[in-house]
Amino acid sequence: AAGVIQSPRHLIKEKRETATLKCYPIPRHDTVYWYQQGPGQDPQFLISFYEKMQSDKGSIPDRFSAQQFSDYHSELNMSSLELGDSALYFCASSSARGAEEKLFFGSGTQLSVL
Amino acid sequence: GESVGLHLPTLSVQEGDNSIINCAYSNSASDYFIWYKQESGKGPQFIIDIRSNMDKRQGQRVTVLLNKTVKHLSLQIAATQPGDSAVYFCAENGNSGGSNYKLTFGKGTLLTVNP
Repeated sequence: AAGVIQSPRHLIKEKRETATLKCYPIPRHDTVYWYQQGPGQDPQFLISFYEKMQSDKGSIPDRFSAQQFSDYHSELNMSSLELGDSALYFCASSSARGAEEKLFFGSGTQLSVL
Repeated sequence: GESVGLHLPTLSVQEGDNSIINCAYSNSASDYFIWYKQESGKGPQFIIDIRSNMDKRQGQRVTVLLNKTVKHLSLQIAATQPGDSAVYFCAENGNSGGSNYKLTFGKGTLLTVNP
């Protein structure tokens, strides 16, 4: 079965650079969530989108922005990167219309800021 | 930069034993709870969920117990296998509006199964 696809798998950037993370949800899933997980930490909710509109916002820095496109894929844009942004970034998807309500996670993008 | 060490609760069991992983949640309004398994370098994987109108739910080799009075959740794994070694997170959804799944994750527990 198709899963949530994230790219790139690993990303190395320097301070003050920008980064774009991509997420392709499970087919027919209309909701996308972004989470940030620091080393040894639990995942922290950043932002979510339903039907291409932002549906909820968590602890996402102002330097970050995200959007969901017409094909339901989502991109997380990160600017003025800081050392503290180094983390594993997960995307998850679900279907608000489907009978299944589970949240499915991708394998994540490991971002390292040097 | 300074590295942050893992400060996860840990549970070490022998293969074949039963494991119990506990979780305390904070939001009494939470109505949906999920247990996730996370292996190194991978995303959280759904294990089992439970709604607040239930106090027990069973899956294959796993059982989740919910005690709303003390806001406590537990995951029981029967006949634990080496492949069960991972970090286990509980997550709660107490969001009454917006996203259905603005999940709040609890502190993970590192389960190590010794052969």
